[in-house]
Amino acid sequence: QVQLVESGGGMVKPGGSLRLSCAASGFTFSDYYMSWIRQAPGKGLEWLSYISTSGSTIYYADSVKGRFTISRDNAKNSLYLQMNSLRAEDTAVYYCARDLISSGFYSWGQGTLVTVSS
Amino acid sequence: QLVLTQSPSASASLGASVKLTCTLSSGHNNYAIAWHQQQPEKGPRYLMKLNSDGSHIKGDGIPDRFSGSSSGAERYLTISSLQSEDEADYYCQTWGTDIWVFGGGTKLTVL
Repeated sequence: QVQLVESGGGMVKPGGSLRLSCAASGFTFSDYYMSWIRQAPGKGLEWLSYISTSGSTIYYADSVKGRFTISRDNAKNSLYLQMNSLRAEDTAVYYCARDLISSGFYSWGQGTLVTVSS
Repeated sequence: QLVLTQSPSASASLGASVKLTCTLSSGHNNYAIAWHQQQPEKGPRYLMKLNSDGSHIKGDGIPDRFSGSSSGAERYLTISSLQSEDEADYYCQTWGTDIWVFGGGTKLTVL
């Protein structure tokens, strides 16, 4: 069955960096667009970044543009999010999601918690 | 600007039905959306894609109790025969050329 497993979360100081990973299984990873989405404590869902199947097309939300970088390694069935210049407001659970074309985020991981605090 | 608006909360009794609403911003009446369910302390779960004409395609294993409908800029999620496990947050989501948008979510309480 389809599985998305995020890892790499943890506690980091403001201004620090963190790299999240998402391991995919149960489907042909290279065939699907992928996104990162986050959820601050007690808040709603916020889309952050999208990457096409080959990685040639990438989009970011304004809130993370210039600080976060999405990438993928289709040979390793993995999605990544490099997060730099982290702020307290980046504290959230980060989810990776499989995007079905024009159908929404069809599959979700269980999330990984990132806490930015001094 | 592409925006989705949801009521913050809703409630209904066990065994009853409830209809949740997601409203698309002006000029976006023809957009399809997706509905997601998030049970407490869990990741979101895809429920369905809902088109502007009310047709919908549900995700794997989604019970028949969940259905969708549309009217103008409104997109609806109806849950019938409410069960205790339906108590959750429900989010609508849509997409543009280079943007993906979520509504603020509706917290459903099953009484």
